Amino acid sequence: EVQLVESGGGLVQPGGSLKLSCAASGFTFSGYSIHWVRQASGKGLEWVGRMRSKANSYATAYAASVRGRFSISRDDSKNTAYLQMNSLKTEDTAVYYCTRFFDNGGQPFDNWGQGTLVTVSS
Amino acid sequence: QSALTQPRSVSGSPGQSVTISCTGANSDVGSYDSVSWYQQHPGKAPKLIIYDVTKRPSGVPDRFSGSKSGNTASLTISGLQAEDETDYYCCSYAGNSNWVFGGGTKLTVL
Repeated sequence: EVQLVESGGGLVQPGGSLKLSCAASGFTFSGYSIHWVRQASGKGLEWVGRMRSKANSYATAYAASVRGRFSISRDDSKNTAYLQMNSLKTEDTAVYYCTRFFDNGGQPFDNWGQGTLVTVSS
Repeated sequence: QSALTQPRSVSGSPGQSVTISCTGANSDVGSYDSVSWYQQHPGKAPKLIIYDVTKRPSGVPDRFSGSKSGNTASLTISGLQAEDETDYYCCSYAGNSNWVFGGGTKLTVL
């Protein structure tokens, strides 16, 4: 069974940092891009960014709203991806989901984690 | 990159059909056949129901169908059932390695 499990969310002050994890199981993690998507309370989904597989040079891409503040990494030996969030703003408060997309095409975002809540507040 | 435009809400009676529109731009929906749709129940993660404009993942009922014309994609749900009442989001590849979602549509089954 495919599983993605996020962790690391919590309360952080504006300007602070937080690192989220996305632990994967049940599929060949190394062959997939991992994307992060967030959702503020009562709002829609917002794509945050992605990291591709080793075969695609671990290429990263980010939404304009987080570029320069957030970075994605992965450890294929641990089947885990990470989202490092720096210089956090109150508007970054949201549930953060990780999801997958097979790097050679296929069904985008076909499995999602349960999400982890990040609250940026003083 | 601006969010794709969806109606805030749509409604229909059991057994009827409803269509949810998703309007983008030449740079996203209009340029790529990478439009997908997600169903999200309250407090749950999104679920993929349509990808590549018209394709259905295994296990998704054929009551769900997708289409696209120009810069607008559409999700049609036929034979509405009470369990279909929830939120729906469209998503499109937007070029330059970016993806964009719609603002979401709440479907009410009357």
